[in-house]
Amino acid sequence: EPEVTQTPSHQVTQMGQEVILRCVPISNHLYFYWYRQILGQKVEFLVSFYNNEISEKSEIFDDQFSVERPDGSNFTLKIRSTKLEDSAMYFCASRPDPFEAFFGQGTRLTVV
Amino acid sequence: AQTVTQSQPEMSVQEAETVTLSCTYDTSESDYYLFWYKQPPSRQMILVIRQEAYKQQNATENRFSVNFQKAAKSFSLKISDSQLGDAAMYFCAYKYGGSQGNLIFGKGTKLSVKP
Repeated sequence: EPEVTQTPSHQVTQMGQEVILRCVPISNHLYFYWYRQILGQKVEFLVSFYNNEISEKSEIFDDQFSVERPDGSNFTLKIRSTKLEDSAMYFCASRPDPFEAFFGQGTRLTVV
Repeated sequence: AQTVTQSQPEMSVQEAETVTLSCTYDTSESDYYLFWYKQPPSRQMILVIRQEAYKQQNATENRFSVNFQKAAKSFSLKISDSQLGDAAMYFCAYKYGGSQGNLIFGKGTKLSVKP
C-alpha cells in the first residue's frame, strides 16, 4: 500500500542552525501539507502546496519557513535559524482531492 | 473561523466494552468533511473514519462508527468491543469542502484501555 515517507525520523540540531525535513508524498496525490505538533499539544497546520506553489499558510509559517518540491517527488520543509520553540513533531501529508489526508510517520525535531 | 472542540482530555474503557469520544465543531460552511485520526505512541497519524457532511448516513468502519449530528455540529466516535490496541490519542478533524482546504484538529482525547 502506498504511503507517505518522511526522513529523518529524528533530527537534533543546534539553535540557529538550518534544517531540512524531507517527505515523499504518495505519487498520484496533488495536495501536500506540513503540520506540526508540539509535544502534548494539538496538530497545527503550517502550509499547503498545490501545483508547485503555496496555496495556503498559517500564521506560524513565517519567513523562517519555506517549502519546495524540487524534483517532482520530494517535498521539503526548510527551517532557517531554528529556535528552541521549533522543537516539535513535523508531519507531512498528501491527499487526492477531495478526500482524507495521508500522513507520514513524522520527523521529531529537537532544537538544543 | 472554523474550530474543533474535544471536551474530553482523557477517557478510559474496559477491554471489550464500548466508549464514545465527543467532538463538536463550528463552521458556517455547508460542504465539509469530518475525520477521526488515531495517534498511537509511535505518533503516526492514522485515519480511523471519515464523514462527508452531505451524507445523512453515519459512517461505519468495522468496530468504529460515528454519530454525526449536522444541526448540532456534533461528531462523536463510538468504539465497540474495545481492544488494547485501541489505546491512543484520538483527534477529531475538520476540512472544508472543495479542492483546497487544510485539516483543523481538535486538541485530542487520550484513550486508555484497561485489560
